[in-house]
Amino acid sequence: AQRVTQPEKLLSVFKGAPVELKCNYSYSGSPELFWYVQYSRQRLQLLLRHISRESIKGFTADLNKGETSFHLKKPFAQEEDSAMYYCALRGYGGATNKLIFGTGTLLAVQP
Amino acid sequence: GAVVSQHPSWVICKSGTSVKIECRSLDFQATTMFWYRQFPKQSLMLMATSNEGSKATYEQGVEKDKFLINHASLTLSTLTVTSAHPEDSSFYICSVGVGSTEAFFGQGTRLTVV
Repeated sequence: AQRVTQPEKLLSVFKGAPVELKCNYSYSGSPELFWYVQYSRQRLQLLLRHISRESIKGFTADLNKGETSFHLKKPFAQEEDSAMYYCALRGYGGATNKLIFGTGTLLAVQP
Repeated sequence: GAVVSQHPSWVICKSGTSVKIECRSLDFQATTMFWYRQFPKQSLMLMATSNEGSKATYEQGVEKDKFLINHASLTLSTLTVTSAHPEDSSFYICSVGVGSTEAFFGQGTRLTVV
């Protein structure tokens, strides 16, 4: 079964501290993994995807197939990073590109 | 990217009535749209895939007779919550997939059934 697990509901750090938001997935094939972010009073938007292997707003995420993980990292957190972060999965080969979301982690960056 | 707009942004209705929520893709022709439901402080749960010109595909456990989906054009999908009850109160979000890489989301509709 397809499943995305984000073990932390809330992650609180101080400004300038490193951040790691955990994401583990369960999927029988080769999935696409994404991180979506929702800032206060804004709609959900894409932060980054594993196939791009890019850094967005200082965030990176590496797909580890052995550990079935796709953790989101940033070396120095900023207050404007405070938001809800969702890890999402999409399977290859389907007729649609529907996403399966984790439960989300609220990142709170304290000044 | 695609611009996705939902209407209304919020609605309050009486128990037993029906409510229609619109999802419009403003600058992209979408053969497929997705409807999600989000409970407070919980994840987005995929309800159904809306297919232009054909029947929607519902996820397991979602009542298709209660949540009617119509996708009559490439820019509009509607979700109708029929005979709404307080337990249907939730945040409903639609999305459009562009190509095979990214999904764009509407701003969501807050439904409150009293």
